[in-house]
Amino acid sequence: QVQLVESGGGVVQPGGSLRLSCAASGFTFSIYDMHWVRQAPGKGLEWVALIRYDGNNKYYADSVKGRFTISRDNSKSTLFLQMNSLRVEDTAVYYCARKGLGAASDYWGQGTLVTVSS
Amino acid sequence: EIVLTQSPATLSLSPGERATLSCRASQSVSSSYLAWYQQKPGQAPRLLIYGASSRATGIPDRFSGSGSGTDFTLTISRLESEDFAVYYCQQYGTSPFTFGPGAKVDIK
Repeated sequence: QVQLVESGGGVVQPGGSLRLSCAASGFTFSIYDMHWVRQAPGKGLEWVALIRYDGNNKYYADSVKGRFTISRDNSKSTLFLQMNSLRVEDTAVYYCARKGLGAASDYWGQGTLVTVSS
Repeated sequence: EIVLTQSPATLSLSPGERATLSCRASQSVSSSYLAWYQQKPGQAPRLLIYGASSRATGIPDRFSGSGSGTDFTLTISRLESEDFAVYYCQQYGTSPFTFGPGAKVDIK
């Protein structure tokens, strides 16, 4: 069955960096576009970034552009999010999601919590 | 950026009643690339509807979606206890792929 497992979250100081990973299994990772979506505590969902199946095209929310980088390793079925220059407002649960059925996000991981605090 | 507005923000209903949730876009959503997700506390979102009106795998037929252009609706025909949750719409036709603010369906 399809599984997405995020890791790499934790507590980091403002201005710091963190790298999130999303390990995929149960499907052919290399043919699917993948998203990162985040949710601040008690708030709604915010789309963060999308990477095309081959890694050649990437799209970002304005709120993270220039600070976050989405990437993937298709040989290891793993998605990444490199987060630099972190701000307090980046505190959130970060989900990876597969762009699948009808191009919507049909499978989601359980999320990993990133806390930016001094 | 396409801004999505959901109404009402909260809907208080009893089991067995009909729920109607609205999602309005600031500009036309291309190719009806509009999805609805359900989220319960402590859980990841779950895809309910894609392409404005197609039910995702395993979604009961009491859930239905309709609409096009800028106006979309999620209808739950008869609420069951497990349907009390927060619902989000998302447009995924144009980057950034924005979500609505969410609508909570709670027990009256």
